[in-house]
Amino acid sequence: DAGVIQSPRHEVTEMGQEVTLRCKPISGHDYLFWYRQTMMRGLELLIYFNNNVPIDDSGMPEDRFSAKMPNASFSTLKIQPSEPRDSAVYFCASSLSRRWDTQYFGPGTRLTVL
Amino acid sequence: GENVEQHPSTLSVQEGDSAVIKCTYSDSASNYFPWYKQELGKGPQLIIDIRSNVGEKKDQRIAVTLNKTAKHFSLHITETQPEDSAVYFCAASRGYSTLTFGKGTMLLVSP
Repeated sequence: DAGVIQSPRHEVTEMGQEVTLRCKPISGHDYLFWYRQTMMRGLELLIYFNNNVPIDDSGMPEDRFSAKMPNASFSTLKIQPSEPRDSAVYFCASSLSRRWDTQYFGPGTRLTVL
Repeated sequence: GENVEQHPSTLSVQEGDSAVIKCTYSDSASNYFPWYKQELGKGPQLIIDIRSNVGEKKDQRIAVTLNKTAKHFSLHITETQPEDSAVYFCAASRGYSTLTFGKGTMLLVSP
């Protein structure tokens, strides 16, 4: 059974460019979470979805960040325009509603903004 | 909101020794406490969890204990092996709120 899939695994871009991160949750999971990990702040929840609907986006740092989930098997996190302080590892996680807090993480996307 | 403190931030042990990582939480309504292991270049992986209706849970060499009165929970790893070297995160949540993570403990097991 495939786990959470994220792409790309690494992204290097220049300040001001648009960045799109992608996630495929575990099949059948109806919760999807986007996290950001930095040395200074640890793991931070950015946004989460239930049945493709955004439930809580209070962790999204700025309007430059947006997330969508057009269907049950795909989600994107977009940063436009990107800034050097956005450099971090971004994780996607998914879970089942009956055990929504038991989350399974993807391998992450390491983003570097120059 | 919930606040989770994790100690120590780094822990070095010799192979075969035991390792203990401790977390405290602030919200007495929290009822779910998972532990994640993150190896270099990988995402966090759930290794064990406990809900507030039990005080201890074991899975082979790892165990988690929960003290609801004191609002703390701990991860115990016995007979440590070099492959146990990783960063370990604790987390807490209550009902339909989100997980709050500790800052992590880097465990190094020396052969």
